[in-house]
Amino acid sequence: KAGVTQTPRYLIKTRGQQVTLSCSPISGHRSVSWYQQTPGQGLQFLFEYFSETQRNKGNFPGRFSGRQFSNSRSEMNVSTLELGDSALYLCASSLGAGAMIVYFGPGTRLLVL
Amino acid sequence: DQQVKQNSPSLSVQEGRISILNCDYTNSMFDYFLWYKKYPAEGPTFLISISSIKDKNEDGRFTVFLNKSAKHLSLHIVPSQPGDSAVYFCAAKDGGGGSNYKLTFGKGTLLTVNP
Repeated sequence: KAGVTQTPRYLIKTRGQQVTLSCSPISGHRSVSWYQQTPGQGLQFLFEYFSETQRNKGNFPGRFSGRQFSNSRSEMNVSTLELGDSALYLCASSLGAGAMIVYFGPGTRLLVL
Repeated sequence: DQQVKQNSPSLSVQEGRISILNCDYTNSMFDYFLWYKKYPAEGPTFLISISSIKDKNEDGRFTVFLNKSAKHLSLHIVPSQPGDSAVYFCAAKDGGGGSNYKLTFGKGTLLTVNP
């Protein structure tokens, strides 16, 4: 069974731009969550989607948004990029909302110049 | 505030010896704990977990211990192998009831196993 896939793997943007990241969960998984990893903060929870509905949200500004499609694929959008948004963005999927174990994709490395 | 703390940013051990990675938490609502391993350029991989109703869970060379009164858990790797060299993240599930949950991660500990 294929794992979680994320596209693109690497991205360079400039301040003020916006970016959209994509995540395809493991087949049959209906829950997708997003995390931001930075050297100083570790992995921080952004949001979780299940059945196209946002179930939970972390403490990030409104510039960070997401959505989930009927096929469980998810996208994350960051508008008005700031230098501090440079990070590894990780997507994780699980069978259902509230599942104990989540499975991560390889991440998208975003560099904001 | 950091609800899950991994106070050791790095740990170095010799091959064949025991590796002990520690994790402390502050939130009494955490009821499930996980360890993930991360290699460079890859996403974290689930390693082992433990429910708050247990105090020990074992899987091959990996054992996780939970001390609820101290709000402390540890991951033991015996014997350590060079392939275990990675960043290890401790994570806790904040259930609060129902299906709305999120995982709260520590900042990670870089384990280096020297041949």
